[in-house]
Amino acid sequence: GENVEQHPSTLSVQEGDSAVIKCTYSDSASNYFPWYKQELGKRPQLIIDIRSNVGEKKDQRIAVTLNKTAKHFSLHITETQPEDSAVYFCAASLHNFNKFYFGSGTKLNVKP
Amino acid sequence: NAGVTQTPKFQVLKTGQSMTLQCAQDMNHEYMSWYRQDPGMGLRLIHYSVGAGITDQGEVPNGYNVSRSTTEDFPLRLLSAAPSQTSVYFCASSSTGPGEQYFGPGTRLTVT
Repeated sequence: GENVEQHPSTLSVQEGDSAVIKCTYSDSASNYFPWYKQELGKRPQLIIDIRSNVGEKKDQRIAVTLNKTAKHFSLHITETQPEDSAVYFCAASLHNFNKFYFGSGTKLNVKP
Repeated sequence: NAGVTQTPKFQVLKTGQSMTLQCAQDMNHEYMSWYRQDPGMGLRLIHYSVGAGITDQGEVPNGYNVSRSTTEDFPLRLLSAAPSQTSVYFCASSSTGPGEQYFGPGTRLTVT
């Protein structure tokens, strides 16, 4: 099956700085890559996603890039704010979009 | 819309006991999944379903059973609880095609 690796496991940045979280996947058939944010004690919520026919997608301060050849994708958060502090998960899904493999998560701490 | 609901929120079991975690969604989603979340390990897929009457195993299916008799409900059964099954369990649903998985609020299970 698919194997998704995520780095770093923890990330601490100063408010206003950028944060980058990276994921790699093993199955070249994966073609949908969502990112989830999970606040403490809450459920994961989708923040951005990208399909394999797109190289980059942006939504305000959040962007995701995908390199299919290298089988890696990254989450970029610019102008970080304290409310961005949470655990972020990447995931990969094969063509039928019903089976997801998640990375191990990155705990982001934004210091005011 | 209630979205995805899960009951109970918390449960303590003794080793060897059985129980069913309930999950329901009112969005008419075809796809439903069960995940367990353990510290440092992200979300791991237990079982998933692509429609009523159709289920399949995920990454960590041992010790769990599922069935899907209706579109709305997807219960997860623990046959004989073990301490290794102590975890937070999330149910999720999504429509066909690439798109957001909606997660339930989670069930925190402790097996002593």
